[in-house]
Amino acid sequence: AQRVTQPEKLLSVFKGAPVELKCNYSYSGSPELFWYVQYSRQRLQLLLRHISRESIKGFTADLNKGETSFHLKKPFAQEEDSAMYYCALQNYGGSQGNLIFGKGTKLSVKP
Amino acid sequence: NAGVTQTPKFQVLKTGQSMTLQCAQDMNHNSMYWYRQDPGMGLRLIYYSASEGTTDKGEVPNGYNVSRLNKREFSLRLESAAPSQTSVYFCASSATPRSNQPQHFGDGTRLSIL
Repeated sequence: AQRVTQPEKLLSVFKGAPVELKCNYSYSGSPELFWYVQYSRQRLQLLLRHISRESIKGFTADLNKGETSFHLKKPFAQEEDSAMYYCALQNYGGSQGNLIFGKGTKLSVKP
Repeated sequence: NAGVTQTPKFQVLKTGQSMTLQCAQDMNHNSMYWYRQDPGMGLRLIYYSASEGTTDKGEVPNGYNVSRLNKREFSLRLESAAPSQTSVYFCASSATPRSNQPQHFGDGTRLSIL
């Protein structure tokens, strides 16, 4: 079964500290993975996707097929990074095409 | 540059009442989705429409119905609201079901059932 696991509900760090939000997936084929961010009471926004291999707002994520992981990292956290972060897997089963979301990790960056 | 627009933003209902959540996108996307977001549960798919004229059940469809009115609009209906349907509802769209383009989300509808 396709599944996305984010083991941490809450991650609290101090400003300037490194951040790593964990994401593991279960998928038999070649996965398409995304990180979405939701700032307080705002819509979900795409942060980055693995196929682009890009860095957005200082965040990066590398797909590790051996460990079936797609962890999100930032070397120096900022207070404005405080938000809810969701890892998502593209569902290519049938005609769906929906995203399968993890339960999310709330990142709190303290001053 | 609206993207995905949802109405209403907030709604309070009594148990047993019915209502329709509206969603419209202006990106000429073929696929549209309804998710519900609950604390500790992430987002779960309620219904989706891979293309105009088709709809299908997602992970948690019970108690809901949908209508793909045209390519732009995809509505979600609660026929007889229950407290368990208290949630934040997000509509999303994407170019096609199998594209690797990201989904675009609306602002959400915060629904409380008393």
